[in-house]
Amino acid sequence: EAGVAQSPRYKIIEKRQSVAFWCNPISGHATLYWYQQILGQGPKLLIQFQNNGVVDDSQLPKDRFSAERLKGVDSTLKIQPAKLEDSAVYLCASSLVGYSQETQYFGPGTRLLVL
Amino acid sequence: DQQVKQNSPSLSVQEGRISILNCDYTNSMFDYFLWYKKYPAEGPTFLISISSIKDKNEDGRFTVFLNKSAKHLSLHIVPSQPGDSAVYFCAAYSGNTPLVFGKGTRLSVIA
Repeated sequence: EAGVAQSPRYKIIEKRQSVAFWCNPISGHATLYWYQQILGQGPKLLIQFQNNGVVDDSQLPKDRFSAERLKGVDSTLKIQPAKLEDSAVYLCASSLVGYSQETQYFGPGTRLLVL
Repeated sequence: DQQVKQNSPSLSVQEGRISILNCDYTNSMFDYFLWYKKYPAEGPTFLISISSIKDKNEDGRFTVFLNKSAKHLSLHIVPSQPGDSAVYFCAAYSGNTPLVFGKGTRLSVIA
């Protein structure tokens, strides 16, 4: 079974530029998560989708971050414009249904460096 | 406000010995706890979990202990192997709130 796929794996941009990350979850998984992991910290949830609807985006900085999951499968996360503090690893995860306590499966992440 | 705390950034253990990774939490509403393991350049992978109605869960070399009164859980790895060298994250759920992670502990198993 293929795991969660993410691209690109690495991205370097200058502040005020825009960037987009792509995620393809495990086939059949209804729930998709985007996390931000700053160096030395644990992952922090940015947004959770159930199929193509948003379940939780309370920690997403909506003035600069946006995410979509149009067909309930793959998803994109965008940052526009980027700030220095956005330098982090962006992890995508998926789970089968999305109920509480369900195991989440993570992709390898996209490492973003904002200069 | 850090609700899940892993106070040891790193731990070194000799191969064959026991590794004990600790985690404290502040939110008494947490009812399900998980440990994830992360290798460099990979995403976290699920290792073991425990419900708040239990005080111990075992899976092969890995055992998680939960002390609700102390708001403390620990992960025991016996015997430790070099392939166990990774960063270990403690995480917790409370009802339908998002999964909350600790900062992680880097385990080095020395051959």
